[in-house]
Amino acid sequence: DTVLTQSPALAVSPGERVSISCRASEGVNSYMHWYQQKPGQQPKLLIYKASNLASGVPARFSGSGSGTDFTLTIDPVEADDTATYFCQQSWNDPTFGGGTKLELK
Amino acid sequence: EVQLVESGGVLVQPGRSMKLSCAASGFTFSSFPMAWVRQAPTKGLEWVATISTSGGSTYYRDSVKGRFTISRDNAKSTLYLQMDSLRSEDTATYYCTTQAAISYWFAYWGQGTLVTVSS
Repeated sequence: DTVLTQSPALAVSPGERVSISCRASEGVNSYMHWYQQKPGQQPKLLIYKASNLASGVPARFSGSGSGTDFTLTIDPVEADDTATYFCQQSWNDPTFGGGTKLELK
Repeated sequence: EVQLVESGGVLVQPGRSMKLSCAASGFTFSSFPMAWVRQAPTKGLEWVATISTSGGSTYYRDSVKGRFTISRDNAKSTLYLQMDSLRSEDTATYYCTTQAAISYWFAYWGQGTLVTVSS
């Protein structure tokens, strides 16, 4: 399985820029996707194929990377962005990262 | 508006079987591959199975191969997951999801249904 590694948690202040990283154990081309999950809710697609914004997602969210290193950026962060963010690769059998919990100061 | 509504999640004893359903609406169900993704309590996400548009091709994670069967009824716009020989480690919320194509991202998600395997 392709293992995806994310930092467990981040804390930022509203209005700041935050970057959430995801590292793959092997190259996944650009087949990396990002999801937001708020407590008690289902995940929501934010970014597909590394850098494409999903329909209805604010332009404050962006994605970058290829190969093994990927980044989700939120700029500026808003209070409503408090959530856990998961990366997922689909180059091989789908796997997810462990999630990064974003908290606001 | 895309809607995916899962049902069938209950408390079941280890070794028993159960079947989940997912009723889809708001899109052309027969045009999209579908998948099940699960999330154990307070844990991360785990892909379970994917089915092609016609149902002719299915894909499973190793830990459920031979125990779970994904299927679909395009006439009823419904996705299923038959789960046999259930284990405690299968305890999770199971989400029904759409895929743009096989090996793509999970575009839309249902609200999930909780399966608890315990004696």
